[in-house]
Amino acid sequence: GIQVEQSPPDLILQEGANSTLRCNFSDSVNNLQWFHQNPWGQLINLFYIPSGTKQNGRLSATTVATERYSLLYISSSQTTDSGVYFCAVGVNALIFGKGTTLSVSS
Amino acid sequence: GAVVSQHPSRVICKSGTSVKIECRSLDFQATTMFWYRQFPKQSLMLMATSNEGSKATYEQGVEKDKFLINHASLTLSTLTVTSAHPEDSSFYICSARSWEGHGEEAFFGQGTRLTVV
Repeated sequence: GIQVEQSPPDLILQEGANSTLRCNFSDSVNNLQWFHQNPWGQLINLFYIPSGTKQNGRLSATTVATERYSLLYISSSQTTDSGVYFCAVGVNALIFGKGTTLSVSS
Repeated sequence: GAVVSQHPSRVICKSGTSVKIECRSLDFQATTMFWYRQFPKQSLMLMATSNEGSKATYEQGVEKDKFLINHASLTLSTLTVTSAHPEDSSFYICSARSWEGHGEEAFFGQGTRLTVV
């Protein structure tokens, strides 16, 4: 099956810092999404990005499908950005990586 | 984006009883829905693919007789945990894909936190 690797597993930042989260995947897919899981478990859709680049406020993402990786950029981080970020890929069902736990302190 | 609603959000049941979790696509039709399980501090693991009008497809290691899935309509899938035991305590979350104009994006329900005592 598809393998999804996220790095780093943990990230600690000061408020205002920038960060890059990476997602590598093993096979061709037609769906790649980034999620933020809030403390109550709800998955918040950040980006649907099987290829190309998208931006939404302080967040942006780039997927290079031919090289099977995606990057999530967080600029000027805020304490509210803390939480777990998941990359998920697939052709039908989404397969999740293990996530990056981000902690932003003030 | 599309809305997927899951109910209940939290349930506590006694060991040996069964629990039903509902997953609804509120503003779109979903021929396929997906069920995941998440243990504390871990990632989401795909349990099964729910197909409207046909049998679900279970991932390796998931007991189909314990986790009964029914997808009776284009907007509703149910997961029944039968004869629940404490080790079934987990966070269960469903998903469906909706055509959003740029592709079939997956949306997730709020999740159900099951505690078996």
